[in-house]
Amino acid sequence: DAGVTQSPTHLIKTRGQHVTLRCSPISGHKSVSWYQQVLGQGPQFIFQYYEKEERGRGNFPDRFSARQFPNYSSELNVNALLLGDSALYLCASSFRQGSYNEQFFGPGTRLTVL
Amino acid sequence: SQQGEEDPQALSIQEGENATMNCSYKTSINNLQWYRQNSGRGLVHLILIRSNEREKHSGRLRVTLDTSKKSSSLLITASRAADTASYFCATDDGGGADGLTFGKGTHLIIQP
Repeated sequence: DAGVTQSPTHLIKTRGQHVTLRCSPISGHKSVSWYQQVLGQGPQFIFQYYEKEERGRGNFPDRFSARQFPNYSSELNVNALLLGDSALYLCASSFRQGSYNEQFFGPGTRLTVL
Repeated sequence: SQQGEEDPQALSIQEGENATMNCSYKTSINNLQWYRQNSGRGLVHLILIRSNEREKHSGRLRVTLDTSKKSSSLLITASRAADTASYFCATDDGGGADGLTFGKGTHLIIQP
């Protein structure tokens, strides 16, 4: 069975641009969460979606948005990129809603903002 | 902000030795999970311990949880070179909607 997949693997953008990151959860998983991991830190929670609705949001500015599609895949959008947005963006899926369930993480998208 | 704090930040041991990592957190939790991350890639779930459990085993892993001290430990026995990675503890707030809160991690190096 395929695990969580993310695309692209790497991305280089310049300040002010916008970016779209994509995630496909494990088949049958209905919950997708997004995390940002800055170098040397642990992941920080951005969004949680379940059944196509936003169920939780971390402490991130409105430049960050996301959505979940009928097939449960998800997109993370970041507008007006800042240098500080450079990070590894991780997607995690689980069968049920709730971060207290085991999360299955994808390999991440490495975003570099110049 | 990050709730958990792993200790130590880095640990280097010889292959075959045991490795112990500690995690402290600040608020009440529903459960605590440990994850491993190799070379800045995706996280791999290792073990989940519920707030009403005190100890849990999985293969060479042993996790303890002390909710009165708001702390947990991860023990890896008979370490192998392949165990070299960063290890993170993660907690949820019980409601489940705010995602997991990760610590900064312990970087473990196993010397052959």
